[in-house]
Amino acid sequence: EAQVTQNPRYLITVTGKKLTVTCSQNMNHEYMSWYRQDPGLGLRQIYYSMNVEVTDKGDVPEGYKVSRKEKRNFPLILESPSPNQTSLYFCASSFTPGGVYEQYFGPGTRLTVT
Amino acid sequence: EDKVVQSPLSLVVHEGDTVTLNCSYEVTNFRSLLWYKQEKKAPTFLFMLTSSGIEKKSGRLSSILDKKELFSILNITATQTGDSAVYLCAVDNAGNNRKLIWGLGTSLAVNP
Repeated sequence: EAQVTQNPRYLITVTGKKLTVTCSQNMNHEYMSWYRQDPGLGLRQIYYSMNVEVTDKGDVPEGYKVSRKEKRNFPLILESPSPNQTSLYFCASSFTPGGVYEQYFGPGTRLTVT
Repeated sequence: EDKVVQSPLSLVVHEGDTVTLNCSYEVTNFRSLLWYKQEKKAPTFLFMLTSSGIEKKSGRLSSILDKKELFSILNITATQTGDSAVYLCAVDNAGNNRKLIWGLGTSLAVNP
């Protein structure tokens, strides 16, 4: 089954404790992206990757890191989480034959930083 | 600045009603417009529109794009409670790191 998986689905952590949210897709997509979704602000892109070893900042990259060592995986790293990073996070992937096209979303990770 | 604006922000209807959701956009290099449905989970893809005047249809849902007036509408006929969701519109802006520009969504509640 074609899918994007994320782990964990729910996470409560404390300020400053490093964490990683994993994202994996099995569709051989080149393009992968991380979003956060907050009430009243919609979906905002954090980082994206056009292919292996190619990553770039989205609209709200501060406080986040990513890596793309393999085509299927695109982990999101919070080196020192803060309460303002409490949010719902989505990983997404798509083909890029000249465009982003339809994005497939993971199930989401609800993160709470206390 | 590139932007996508959806209206209304929220809508409450009764089962059987027909609804029209609006999405207007201003982007520098339009490639396509996409509609997604988001229930209490991840967004799921509904339609992609690239050409003006060509209706996309899936069951009770349909959508059309007007590239001259820079908007799209999503119609849902004979609404059901299962249509209750947030409907998101996004524009693929090919000239801007190929990212999607997202609207804030329209929250639709269908009451029995």
